[in-house]
This record gives sequence, structure tokens and C-alpha cells, in this order.
Amino acid sequence: NAGVTQTPKFQVLKTGQSMTLQCAQDMNHEYMSWYRQDPGMGLRLIHYSVGAGITDQGEVPNGYNVSRSTTEDFPLRLLSAAPSQTSVYFCASSSLSGGAFNEQFFGPGTRLTVL
Amino acid sequence: AQSVTQPDIHITVSEGASLELRCNYSYGATPYLFWYVQSPGQGLQLLLKYFSGDTLVQGIKGFEAEFKRSQSSFNLRKPSVHWSDAAEYFCAVAPMNSGYSTLTFGKGTMLLVSP
Repeated sequence: NAGVTQTPKFQVLKTGQSMTLQCAQDMNHEYMSWYRQDPGMGLRLIHYSVGAGITDQGEVPNGYNVSRSTTEDFPLRLLSAAPSQTSVYFCASSSLSGGAFNEQFFGPGTRLTVL
Repeated sequence: AQSVTQPDIHITVSEGASLELRCNYSYGATPYLFWYVQSPGQGLQLLLKYFSGDTLVQGIKGFEAEFKRSQSSFNLRKPSVHWSDAAEYFCAVAPMNSGYSTLTFGKGTMLLVSP
């Protein structure tokens, strides 16, 4: 199993450009989520999904869109990048089986710089 | 709303010395509690978790944590630190019986290990 993969590892954008951060998992996990990590802020939840076709907002959703057309993939879209979106982005996934909390597995991250 | 406080931004410990990283949470009920570690340039790895039962939980890499309900704390400990433990450590909570895995993170504590 590759686990949770993210592409690209690094990206530099200009203000106003759009891009999609890719996240994929091969563990058949129902739950997937995106976090951003900023110095001194810890990780903050952007969007999450509990299954294909179902998404919801987290703590800091503004400026980001998501969709979940398959179980495996959960892309994060920046429609018009802003310098405030300079951050490290992590994707995570977990199973929802068993009714209890299941461990979240994190991808290696995408470091995004917006100029 | 739930919150997680890690009062120490940085901690420096000598190799071989003991370690305690503090974590306090604010929540209406006892949540699920977690500690994650992030090595430089890496994603997050789960060290240990508390769901219920014994308030002293053992994790990977020789770490343990103790849940104290009266103090709303979940401090991470290790009896003898190794240079490879230098990393950033995050405490996190999730609502008990939430049905899915929404984590709220603290802002992190950076552990530096001196020779």
C-alpha cells in the first residue's frame, strides 16, 4: 500500500492563479480531509469528506473548494490564489468502520508559496 | 468550541534526560485524545491515543501519556530522550462518538535535543 499520497510536493503560484492539490489513498477509507499548517498555528481543518459525493467545511474553508467523486481521491482547489494561502497542506484519511474513532493517516504534505 | 493548548512552543532537553510535554484541552465532555509527531519535512505520525479505560497509555517509540480528567490534561512523557526524538509534537482531540474523525490540533511544541 502506498498509503496517502499528495502531489505536488512543492508549488509556487502567483496571486490570482488557480491550481489543484491532489490527494489519493489506496486504503479504501471513507473519510478524507485537508488541513493547512502554518507556523505557530498547528493544523487547521479546511474541508473534509465522509464518502464519495459528500463534503463539508472545516474551520478555515474560505478560498478552497473540494469534491469527492471517488473513494480514492480528494482534490483541493484554489480558484484564485492569495498570499494568505501560503502554507503546508496535508491530506489525511481514515476508515469509518466499527463506529469508533479510527486513526487518521497523513500524507507527506504539499508546500505552497503564493507570491 | 473545543480547544487544545500546548503552552510550550519550544523545549530543549539533553539527550538521555526525561521529557514531559504539556497539553490541556477545553471541551464539554471528555474527548478522544491524541499525540502526533512530525519530523522535519514529514507528515504526521500517531504516537498514542486515549479513548477510555486506563489513564496511562503507552505509545510507540517509548512514549507514554497520562490523562487527568480533573486537570483536563493529557501530558506526553518519555523517560530518556534520544537525539532522533527531535521533532514537533502535536496534541489533538476529537469529539467522542462523533461518528467521524474531526481532529482539533494544538499549536505544537518543538522539541530540541542537545548533546
